[in-house]
Amino acid sequence: GESVGLHLPTLSVQEGDNSIINCAYSNSASDYFIWYKQESGKGPQFIIDIRSNMDKRQGQRVTVLLNKTVKHLSLQIAATQPGDSAVYFCAVLRNSGYALNFGKGTSLLVTP
Amino acid sequence: KAGVTQTPRYLIKTRGQQVTLSCSPISGHRSVSWYQQTPGQGLQFLFEYFSETQRNKGNFPGRFSGRQFSNSRSEMNVSTLELGDSALYLCASSLGGQGIEAFFGQGTRLTVV
Repeated sequence: GESVGLHLPTLSVQEGDNSIINCAYSNSASDYFIWYKQESGKGPQFIIDIRSNMDKRQGQRVTVLLNKTVKHLSLQIAATQPGDSAVYFCAVLRNSGYALNFGKGTSLLVTP
Repeated sequence: KAGVTQTPRYLIKTRGQQVTLSCSPISGHRSVSWYQQTPGQGLQFLFEYFSETQRNKGNFPGRFSGRQFSNSRSEMNVSTLELGDSALYLCASSLGGQGIEAFFGQGTRLTVV
């Protein structure tokens, strides 16, 4: 089955710096990759997704990069703000569809 | 537009009891998925329903079951509760199912004592 791993359980950055959160996956046939943000006491919130036929996708202050050769996914947050402090999860859509396989998450702490 | 609503928010049950959790998806969404979140295992997929049919099921014992009603509302049931079932149970809804842009509720925090 698919396994989705994270590179760092915690990441501390200074306000204004750029943040990079990494994720690795095992199944090369995966089609969709999604990043979620989870704040304390809340459910995961959709940030951005990317399909396997793309290498890069940009949103507002966020960029997702997909490297299918090494099965690696990253989320870049520009000019990180205190409100970005949360746990970030990458998720991979399983081949059968209808189910997301989540990584363990990276806790991002933004310091002033 | 109202988001995904899960009830109750918090629940304390005793080992051996059963519990039913409820999820109301966003209006117009026909797919509802359930996930279990624990510190040790992270977010794990339980099952997904679309138009009252279970389309996919995760690797959980048969004590975990669910259903979906004609109005897309969903319930999940856990029977013969174990201490290890203590977790945050999250429901997500999407328009047509394939998980893309799934919107999550705030979850139900279940504690088994």
